Amino acid sequence: AQSVTQPDIHITVSEGASLELRCNYSYGATPYLFWYVQSPGQGLQLLLKYFSGDTLVQGIKGFEAEFKRSQSSFNLRKPSVHWSDAAEYFCAVGAHTGRRALTFGSGTRLQVQP
Amino acid sequence: NAGVTQTPKFRVLKTGQSMTLLCAQDMNHEYMYWYRQDPGMGLRLIHYSVGEGTTAKGEVPDGYNVSRLKKQNFLLGLESAAPSQTSVYFCASSPTGTGGAGELFFGEGSRLTVL
Repeated sequence: AQSVTQPDIHITVSEGASLELRCNYSYGATPYLFWYVQSPGQGLQLLLKYFSGDTLVQGIKGFEAEFKRSQSSFNLRKPSVHWSDAAEYFCAVGAHTGRRALTFGSGTRLQVQP
Repeated sequence: NAGVTQTPKFRVLKTGQSMTLLCAQDMNHEYMYWYRQDPGMGLRLIHYSVGEGTTAKGEVPDGYNVSRLKKQNFLLGLESAAPSQTSVYFCASSPTGTGGAGELFFGEGSRLTVL
């Protein structure tokens, strides 16, 4: 069965600083990988996804993520964080076949200091 | 664009009461899902559907039932609510096809409290 680990429950960064959120997955084949963001009281919005091809994926709001098969990782990065990036971030893995439901990590809450 | 709409947004129940959450999507998606979100546990899949008239169990199906009588609607029922079902419930849908496979589109959530 697939699984996702987000080791950091809570991260605080200063506005303008760089950001990296960690994600490790377990899946038997090449996975679909996703990062979603959830603002307080809202649903989840897709930031980016890895399907195949180039391992460096660009997303919305200036985010990017890199798929590293050897490390089973899909870390999310942003070079300069804005106060509006404060939210909870979820990494998810999906299967190519079957129910196609996503398995989510437990999330990382990002706090941005002025 | 409505996307995925959930009703109600908030509900308070007493233990043993029943209720139904409605999810409607206007994107003609085949796949629909119900997740629950609890602090520190991410989202866990309750039930899902791969098409009209089909349903299947996810990771945490106990205490819930679902129906997909129409392609655009996916209902989640609690027959006898328990305090352990206090949670935020998210509905999601997904298109078929290789390009869209796996990407979920979420509703805004329904917050349920069981006293």
